[in-house]
Formats: sequence, C-alpha cells, structure tokens
Amino acid sequence: NAGVTQTPKFQVLKTGQSMTLQCAQDMNHEYMSWYRQDPGMGLRLIHYSVGAGITDQGEVPNGYNVSRSTTEDFPLRLLSAAPSQTSVYFCASSYLPGTAGNTIYFGEGSWLTVV
Amino acid sequence: AQSVTQPDIHITVSEGASLELRCNYSYGATPYLFWYVQSPGQGLQLLLKYFSGDTLVQGIKGFEAEFKRSQSSFNLRKPSVHWSDAAEYFCAVGAGTDKLIFGTGTRLQVFP
Repeated sequence: NAGVTQTPKFQVLKTGQSMTLQCAQDMNHEYMSWYRQDPGMGLRLIHYSVGAGITDQGEVPNGYNVSRSTTEDFPLRLLSAAPSQTSVYFCASSYLPGTAGNTIYFGEGSWLTVV
Repeated sequence: AQSVTQPDIHITVSEGASLELRCNYSYGATPYLFWYVQSPGQGLQLLLKYFSGDTLVQGIKGFEAEFKRSQSSFNLRKPSVHWSDAAEYFCAVGAGTDKLIFGTGTRLQVFP
C-alpha cells in the first residue's frame, strides 16, 4: 500500500523561484489537504479539497496555489518562493473529515528551504 | 473559534515512568479528537481517536486517552514509557467537515 506519497522529500529554492510539491494517494479519498509545520506552531492548514475540481483556502493560503484535477493528485504550487515559506510540508488525505470513524493519513513530509 | 492547546512544550521522563500529555480544546459541538505522534524526520502516525461512546480510548503502542467533556480535555497517557516513545506528540480536533485543527505539539524526551 502506497498510501499518501509526497515528492520531493527535500528541496532548496532561491527566493523568487517557483516549484510544485506533488501529492498522490491511492485510497480513493475525497478529502486532501496541505499543512505546513513550523517550530512552536504545530501544523497549519494551507489549502484543502473535498473532491476533484473543488478546492478551498485554509488558515495560511497566501503564496500557495492548488488544483485538484483528479481524485488521486493534489499538487501544491509555490508561485514565488520567499524565505518565510521555509518549512516542512505535509499532504494528508481521508474520507470527508466529518465522517465518524474517519482517519486522516499523512505523507512523510517535504522539507523545503528557501534561501 | 476552534482551537487546541497543548500547554507543555517539552516533557522529560525516565524510562519506565508513567506519562500524561495534556490537551485542551475549544469547540462548540461534540468534537472528534485525535492524538498523532511524529518521530524525528518522519510523518505523522495516528495513535488513537475519539468520536463517540466510551470516553476512555485505547490506541497503539500502549497509549490511551480520556475524553472529559466537562474539562474540554483529551489527555494522553501511558503507564510505562519506553525509550522508543521519544517523539513529538500532537493533539488535534476535527472541526466540522473540512478541517483538522492541531495543537502546537509536545516534545517528549525519555532518559534511560
């Protein structure tokens, strides 16, 4: 079982560059989301999607873009990288979060450094 | 607004000692509550979850948590800690149908 797969695991960017973090899941989950993890701040929701063609903003969406053209894939785009975007990024998927008994599965993380 | 508070940033215990990690939440309705563990350089692994029913929830690796509605708490416990339990622990609340709100985490250090 692949579960939730994120690539790349590590990336260094220069300020102003753009890049895409890839996320794929093979569990046919409707719900996918991106979080960033920063020291002392826990995980903060960037963007989420409740199905193909539907995306919405989370707590910290600025500087990021997402799309959901298929159920399986949910890429996160950094439009013009800034040092403040240095973080660890986690992709997650599940059935709709309000579903009783639901479990959210996380990818292994992508460590991004912007210099 | 929904929120999760983990008041202890860092906890140190001796191997074999008991452990309790605190979690308090703020949410208007009956919450869905979770505990996740993150080992260094790794992703998050679900330890246990509460949705309804018995307020004492058993999880993996010998962990348990108790939901106390009157105290808005969901504390994580383990009777005897192992060195391999050293990690960061996150409490989270399912806020409606589309969000999982995390606490800021508690880092557990275990001394032999």
